[in-house]
Amino acid sequence: TQLLEQSPQFLSIQEGENLTVYCNSSSVFSSLQWYRQEPGEGPVLLVTVVTGGEVKKLKRLTFQFGDARKDSSLHITAAQPGDTGLYLCAVRRSNDYKLSFGAGTTVTVRA
Amino acid sequence: GAGVSQSPSNKVTEKGKDVELRCDPISGHTALYWYRQSLGQGLEFLIYFQGNSAPDKSGLPSDRFSAERTGGSVSTLTIQRTQQEDSAVYLCASSSSGGTGGFFGPGTRLTVL
Repeated sequence: TQLLEQSPQFLSIQEGENLTVYCNSSSVFSSLQWYRQEPGEGPVLLVTVVTGGEVKKLKRLTFQFGDARKDSSLHITAAQPGDTGLYLCAVRRSNDYKLSFGAGTTVTVRA
Repeated sequence: GAGVSQSPSNKVTEKGKDVELRCDPISGHTALYWYRQSLGQGLEFLIYFQGNSAPDKSGLPSDRFSAERTGGSVSTLTIQRTQQEDSAVYLCASSSSGGTGGFFGPGTRLTVL
């Protein structure tokens, strides 16, 4: 059983559309991170959320941490082809240093 | 260098052969991680080094896998007697002590024929 469930697994949309991807768990976490990975490269950290209910914005990307700190969402407004990639969520449990990753959502934005 | 570097970028080997994968972390980063990413799956933790402490090897899938970190900097992941199921992208990440996020290298794509 995966610690983090990401959905959908794949998402293909037209440039200019909006999209939301989800990261869910039955466990509570002190913080959660979102990464984007492009083909042939390692994941790049986008954001860390730490407070239940927290909302962070990074240009056209909006990240939300659930009130109970069990889930998170990533919303992209007016998606661009440059947003194409694998979006991964990851958590570090209390007193642990290693990150546990979800399986990711592959996002394709068509021009 | 400015970022984490890994070599080789691609490695094709025959089943049963040994391979060595190298990671050069960001200068000054005391923490170094190895992860494995298989097709369609998330990243799987393999091993963690922090300063001079004993490494956490709890993620290594079998005793064919080993890693070392020399002088608190460069790390080498060794896979002995490779099997086809070892085929994956092997990612290295480093972070400063207590850092909340790791900086990943581009990975080594290992293919075992």
